[in-house]
Amino acid sequence: EAQVTQNPRYLITVTGKKLTVTCSQNMNHEYMSWYRQDPGLGLRQIYYSMNVEVTDKGDVPEGYKVSRKEKRNFPLILESPSPNQTSLYFCASSFGAGRTYEQYFGPGTRLTVT
Amino acid sequence: AQSVTQLDSHVSVSEGTPVLLRCNYSSSYSPSLFWYVQHPNKGLQLLLKYTSAATLVKGINGFEAEFKKSETSFHLTKPSAHMSDAAEYFCVVSSNDYKLSFGAGTTVTVRA
Repeated sequence: EAQVTQNPRYLITVTGKKLTVTCSQNMNHEYMSWYRQDPGLGLRQIYYSMNVEVTDKGDVPEGYKVSRKEKRNFPLILESPSPNQTSLYFCASSFGAGRTYEQYFGPGTRLTVT
Repeated sequence: AQSVTQLDSHVSVSEGTPVLLRCNYSSSYSPSLFWYVQHPNKGLQLLLKYTSAATLVKGINGFEAEFKKSETSFHLTKPSAHMSDAAEYFCVVSSNDYKLSFGAGTTVTVRA
């Protein structure tokens, strides 16, 4: 089954404790991205990747890191999480870059930072 | 620069009546426009997209949207709402190849 998977689905952590949210897709997609969803703000893009070893900042990259060492994986790293990073996070992938291609979304990761 | 404004944060309709979700966009280039739906505790699913072909776009589950360049709008409609249409809907614009901008979302409630 074609899908985007994220782990963990739920995470509660404390300020400053490094964490990684994994994202994997099995559709051989080139383009992957991370979003955060906050009430009343819709989804905002954090980082995106056009292919292996090619990444760039989205609209809200501060406090986040990403890497793309393999085509299928695109982990999101929070080196020192803070409470304002409490949010619902989505990973997405598409065959090509965003302009005309459908994005396939993962199920989401709900992160709480205390 | 690009942005999206969804004009209603919440829409409530009776089952069997029409649904209208309004979306205005701004874009420096010819945009691609999308509508996505998010059911509770689920990821987002594509309803339909406009990519400079026909201005009236048909999507899944009976939804359609019309691209109006003169009004910079891309409103989503459905002739007859079903209980399963209760969800949050996002209008999305993409003007360049790598970034997408989402609207704040419209929550649809369907009354029996």
